[in-house]
Amino acid sequence: KAGVTQTPRYLIKTRGQQVTLSCSPISGHRSVSWYQQTPGQGLQFLFEYFSETQRNKGNFPGRFSGRQFSNSRSEMNVSTLELGDSALYLCASSERSLSPTGNEQFFGPGTRLTVL
Amino acid sequence: DAKTTQPNSMESNEEEPVHLPCNHSTISGTDYIHWYRQLPSQGPEYVIHGLTSNVNNRMASLAIAEDRKSSTLILHRATLRDAAVYYCIRISSGSARQLTFGSGTQLTVLP
Repeated sequence: KAGVTQTPRYLIKTRGQQVTLSCSPISGHRSVSWYQQTPGQGLQFLFEYFSETQRNKGNFPGRFSGRQFSNSRSEMNVSTLELGDSALYLCASSERSLSPTGNEQFFGPGTRLTVL
Repeated sequence: DAKTTQPNSMESNEEEPVHLPCNHSTISGTDYIHWYRQLPSQGPEYVIHGLTSNVNNRMASLAIAEDRKSSTLILHRATLRDAAVYYCIRISSGSARQLTFGSGTQLTVLP
């Protein structure tokens, strides 16, 4: 099976713009979770989508949003970009919804977003 | 405020066991502990997870303290390919999942 793919891999934007990142999960996986990774804050959970519904949400402002399509592909949108949004954005897919009891997540390589 | 703390870095010699600690002193009774590792220029990959008792799989072992305030990831024989950043993650089992990441431990394996 092909792994999780993310597009684009690199992106440069300026403050105030908006950006959309895409994530294609492993075939058959219905859950997609998004994470932000920065040197200062480390890894942080943004949100999870399962069967086109947002199931879980981290502690991020409303400028960060997402959606999931019927083929399980997911997009994440960040509006009114700030310098602090520069980060590696990772998505992960799994067969079932995020669960503490198991359900291994498979991560993509990430999209490196730079905000100037 | 829930915190999960890990040492910034550790070193190990190849072929020797490695014990990577994680402190989660504010853990609730139903939070699970997951470990993932991130190799350079890659996304994280799953290593192991557990709740109370010790767990083993082909990659590693997870030892959870009796009071659950700390846990230790054990790599039985470190190889050069195990050099990575290891993350300890708490995942709540409530209706709304909360994930609390440790800051990660950079493991260096010396040949």
